[in-house]
This record gives sequence, structure tokens and C-alpha cells, in this order.
Amino acid sequence: NAGVTQTPKFQVLKTGQSMTLQCAQDMNHNSMYWYRQDPGMGLRLIYYSASEGTTDKGEVPNGYNVSRLNKREFSLRLESAAPSQTSVYFCASSEWGWTDTQYFGPGTRLTVL
Amino acid sequence: RKEVEQDPGPFNVPEGATVAFNCTYSNSASQSFFWYRQDCRKEPKLLMSVYSSGNEDGRFTAQLNRASQYISLLIRDSKLSDSATYLCVVNLMNTGNQFYFGTGTSLTVIP
Repeated sequence: NAGVTQTPKFQVLKTGQSMTLQCAQDMNHNSMYWYRQDPGMGLRLIYYSASEGTTDKGEVPNGYNVSRLNKREFSLRLESAAPSQTSVYFCASSEWGWTDTQYFGPGTRLTVL
Repeated sequence: RKEVEQDPGPFNVPEGATVAFNCTYSNSASQSFFWYRQDCRKEPKLLMSVYSSGNEDGRFTAQLNRASQYISLLIRDSKLSDSATYLCVVNLMNTGNQFYFGTGTSLTVIP
């Protein structure tokens, strides 16, 4: 099992460009999450999907959209990138919701110039 | 005020030492508690869940104090491989039901 995979690993964008971060898990988990990690801020939840077909906002959703494509895949889209979105983005999954262990992908390091 | 607060450290300890980290949380309705470990430029991985009665896993012991709203992690007989950042994680089930992560405590074990 690969666990949680993310693509790309690194990305540099110019202000105003758009891109989609891809995430997939092969553990048959129901819940999936997107976080960003910034120095001195800890991980902050952007969006989550408790189960296939549902998505909800987290702590910092502005500037992002998500799609739960199927049970395996959960993508994060930046429609018009801003320098404030420079961060490390982690996708995670858990079997069911918030009492279960979250398994994280290796992260995407995004720089917006 | 942050939901979860940790001393960022760094903690620099010699091999074999015992080291303890504390983490405080602001919401008394918090339901689930965890310690995650994050190596430099890697993803977080679960170290252990924290139960009301306290729990131990080898050299690691986690405690929960609901009255004072803090959790602790004790590492005994530190190894070089314990060098990492330790993240305190709290689940708040009454505010959108999500995890809140502390900023992490950095530990370096010195030979």
C-alpha cells in the first residue's frame, strides 16, 4: 500500500495563476483532509470531507476550493494564487472522522511569487 | 488565543535523558487528544493517542489532565532517533468537529 500520495511535491506559481493539488489514498478511508503548515502557525485545516460526496470548510478555507472526486481522491484548487498561500500543503485521511488516526501524505511545497 | 499551545523549545538533551513536554488546550469540551511526531521536512505521523487514564508505549508515556486542560508526553532513555518535532493535537467536537494542532516542540537528542 502506498498510503496517502500527493502530487506535485514542489510547485512555484506566479501571483494570479491557478493550480490543483492532487491527493489519493489506497486505505479505503472515508474521511479526507487538506491542511497547510506555516512556520510558527502549526497545521491548519483548510477543508475536509467526512465521507464521499461531502465537503466542509475548516479553519482557513478562503482562496481554496476542493473536490472529493471519489472515495480515493480529494483535490485542492487554488483559483488565483497569492503570495500568502506560500506554504506546505498536507493531505490526510482517516477511516472515520475525528477520533481516528490521521495518515498524512508527504506534502506539497508551494511558493507563490 | 490559540486553541492548543506548546512550548516550541528547542529542547536539547543528551542521550539517555528523560524529557517531558506539556501542551495546554483552551476548550474544556475537547474530546480526543494525540501526540504526533514530525521529522524535518516530512509529514506528521501518529506517535500515540492520549487516554484519560494515561497510557504508555515503551519509552513513551502520555498523560491527560482534564481539570487543568493539559496533556503531557514523557520520553525516557532518549535516543538519537527521537530527535524530531512533537505536535500536540486536540479534537474539538463542538466547533465544527476538527483537529487543532499545536505549533510543535522541537527535540534534539545529543550524543
